[in-house]
Amino acid sequence: DIQMTQSPSSLSASVGDRVTITCRASQSISTYLAWYQQKPGKVPKLLIYLASTLQSGVPSRFSGSGSGTDFALTITNLQPEDVATYYCQKYDRAPGLFGPGTRVDIK
Amino acid sequence: VQLVESGGGLVKPGGSLRLSCAASGLTFNDYTMNWVRQAPGKGLEWVSSISSRSSFIHYADSVRGRFTISRDNARTSLYLQMNSLTVDDSAIYYCAGSVSRLSVLGVGPGLEWGQGTLVTVSS
Repeated sequence: DIQMTQSPSSLSASVGDRVTITCRASQSISTYLAWYQQKPGKVPKLLIYLASTLQSGVPSRFSGSGSGTDFALTITNLQPEDVATYYCQKYDRAPGLFGPGTRVDIK
Repeated sequence: VQLVESGGGLVKPGGSLRLSCAASGLTFNDYTMNWVRQAPGKGLEWVSSISSRSSFIHYADSVRGRFTISRDNARTSLYLQMNSLTVDDSAIYYCAGSVSRLSVLGVGPGLEWGQGTLVTVSS
C-alpha cells in the first residue's frame, strides 16, 4: 500500500525565516499533490495543488515543488500568522491519503 | 460557497449515523465531493469520495463495507451512511469539494470545506 510521509513532524523558526517541509510518497504520484494549512481550531485550507500551483488568494511566500515521489512546501519570510499544521495529500488515484502533518511554530 | 454538515452526534458502538452536507453557492455537479475526518488531536484522514455524476466512488480501507457515500445533485447534497460504528470512528467529519477539472478518477484536492460535524462513538 502507498504511504505518505512528512518531515519534520514539527519545527520552530523565527519570523522572517525560510522554512521547508518535505512530503514523500512511497510510489510515484506524478504531480498530483496538494498542500493544506490548518490553523488551531480551524478548517483546513488549500494552499497548493498540482504540486506547485498556488491556490488563488494564498500569499506568494508559499511555494511548492517536486514530482514523482518527493515534494516540498517552502514558506519564505515566515510570518506569525503562518503558525499552523501543514498537510500534504496525494490525489493521483484513490485513496486520497494525507501525510501525518508538520506543525510549524514561531520561536 | 457554503458547505454545511449535519447529522453528527453520540452513538453507541455498532450503531449507525447518516451525515449530510448541504452545498450552496457553487455548481455542485461540477464538483467531486469528499468526506475527510479528524479525530481529536490527530491528523486528517481521507474517508471517501464520489465524482460529480457518481461514476467513481472510493473508500478508505478503514471504512469500506461499513460506510456508503452518495450524492443528490438535484438537492446539491452529499451524504455518508455510517454503519457498524466503532470508537475509532469518533472524529469531526468534514465535507470537502474538489473542482472536477482538477480531480483524477474521482479524487481531488479539497478546495471548499465545511465546518465539520462531530461524531462520537461511545458506550
